[in-house]
Amino acid sequence: SAVISQKPSRDICQRGTSLTIQCQVDSQVTMMFWYRQQPGQSLTLIATANQGSEATYESGFVIDKFPISRPNLTFSTLTVSNMSPEDSSIYLCSVRQGHSNQPQHFGDGTRLSIL
Amino acid sequence: AQKVTQAQTEISVVEKEDVTLDCVYETRDTTYYLFWYKQPPSGELVFLIRRNSFDEQNEISGRYSWNFQKSTSSFNFTITASQVVDSAVYFCALSEAAYGGATNKLIFGTGTLLAVQP
Repeated sequence: SAVISQKPSRDICQRGTSLTIQCQVDSQVTMMFWYRQQPGQSLTLIATANQGSEATYESGFVIDKFPISRPNLTFSTLTVSNMSPEDSSIYLCSVRQGHSNQPQHFGDGTRLSIL
Repeated sequence: AQKVTQAQTEISVVEKEDVTLDCVYETRDTTYYLFWYKQPPSGELVFLIRRNSFDEQNEISGRYSWNFQKSTSSFNFTITASQVVDSAVYFCALSEAAYGGATNKLIFGTGTLLAVQP
């Protein structure tokens, strides 16, 4: 499976600031996704990162808060904007090659704490 | 609507015991895919297995086995002779087939925390 590198692995940020998380894959992939995992919770899909076009956001998530870029088939970024303590979570990038019957593979995640 | 239920929030066993993690799903689609993932304390999510809705064969991989039963909408995961290294959160997930170019999402259960005591 693809090797997924996510940076930073963790960060502590001040309220009101923004942080951009990068996801780099070692091969071209069809689909890239961004998830949030709040402390002790399951994973929730934020959006599907579409190559060359605007991301597709899930209900409850908006572009102004979580802008996403995907300039090519191996790279995507997620920005968490105007952060508040409620944004403290693990943010995970995942990739999938091909059809929905294929598994998603995940990066190691970014542990974000907001003071 | 799609839904995945993992009723067991936490399970604690002693090493070498067998343990079964339950997963019940809901979907209106006739074609769907089920997955199990492991999340150890280090945090990374590791893919374990995929099962297609039209393939009800059970599967065994070493100490791991999976029992898929469409009649009860269940996809249970059994670890035989558990080891301390099996301690992790285990997630069951559901994906429906994507048609018409639509991208579909992976719906996760709430996870089961397995603690294997030495």
